[in-house]
Amino acid sequence: SQKIEQNSEALNIQEGKTATLTCNYTNYSPAYLQWYRQDPGRGPVFLLLIRENEKEKRKERLKVTFDTTLKQSLFHITASQPADSATYLCALTGRRALTFGSGTRLQVQP
Amino acid sequence: NAGVMQNPRHLVRRRGQEARLRCSPMKGHSHVYWYRQLPEEGLKFMVYLQKENIIDESGMPKERFSAEFPKEGPSILRIQQVVRGDSAAYFCASTLGTGETDTQYFGPGTRLTVL
Repeated sequence: SQKIEQNSEALNIQEGKTATLTCNYTNYSPAYLQWYRQDPGRGPVFLLLIRENEKEKRKERLKVTFDTTLKQSLFHITASQPADSATYLCALTGRRALTFGSGTRLQVQP
Repeated sequence: NAGVMQNPRHLVRRRGQEARLRCSPMKGHSHVYWYRQLPEEGLKFMVYLQKENIIDESGMPKERFSAEFPKEGPSILRIQQVVRGDSAAYFCASTLGTGETDTQYFGPGTRLTVL
C-alpha cells in the first residue's frame, strides 16, 4: 500500500543553523510533492511545490529537493529562526486530493 | 479577501448526537476538500466536492458521514450518531481550479470532541 514517512521525532536545532527534514514514500509515483507548515491549533499553510522533473526548488530561506529514484524529498530551512518552529508536512498529489505524511515537529532554540 | 472559514472552531457532542461542521471556501473557489486529523497523525482525505456535486468520497466512512456543498451557502460535513473515535480535528481546504498544482488553502479547522 502507499505510504509516506516523515521522522516522527521532533527536530531540535539552534537558531542560525540549517534544518533538514526528510520525507520518504513507497508505492507511489507522484508527479508533484508539496510541503506545508502547520502551527498548533491551525490549518496547514502551503510552502512549496516541486515537480517530478525538478531536482530542486528554492523560496527565500527554503529549499526542497525531490529524488524520484530514492523516493525521497528533503526540506531545508537555512538560517533558521525561532519563528520557524512548527510542524512541517509533506504531501503527495493524488488524483484529486493530497496524501499527507504525519509531519515532523521542528523546534528552533534561540 | 477572507480566507477559508470554518465553524464552529470547537464542538463538543455526546455519543449518539449529530455533529455539523461548516466550511466557507475562499472567495471565487468552487472546489472543497475535507480532511480529518487524529492526534499525532497526518491529515487524511475524506471527500472532495464541487458546487452541488460530490466528486470523490473515497476517504469517507460508509456510514454516519455525509457531505454536501449546495449552490448557495457553505459546505457541510455531517456526522450522525457520533462515537468517541470521531474525536479529531476536521479541516477543509478550497482550490480555485482542479489542476494538480492548484494550491489548497486550508481553514483553521473544527475540533470535535465526543464525550
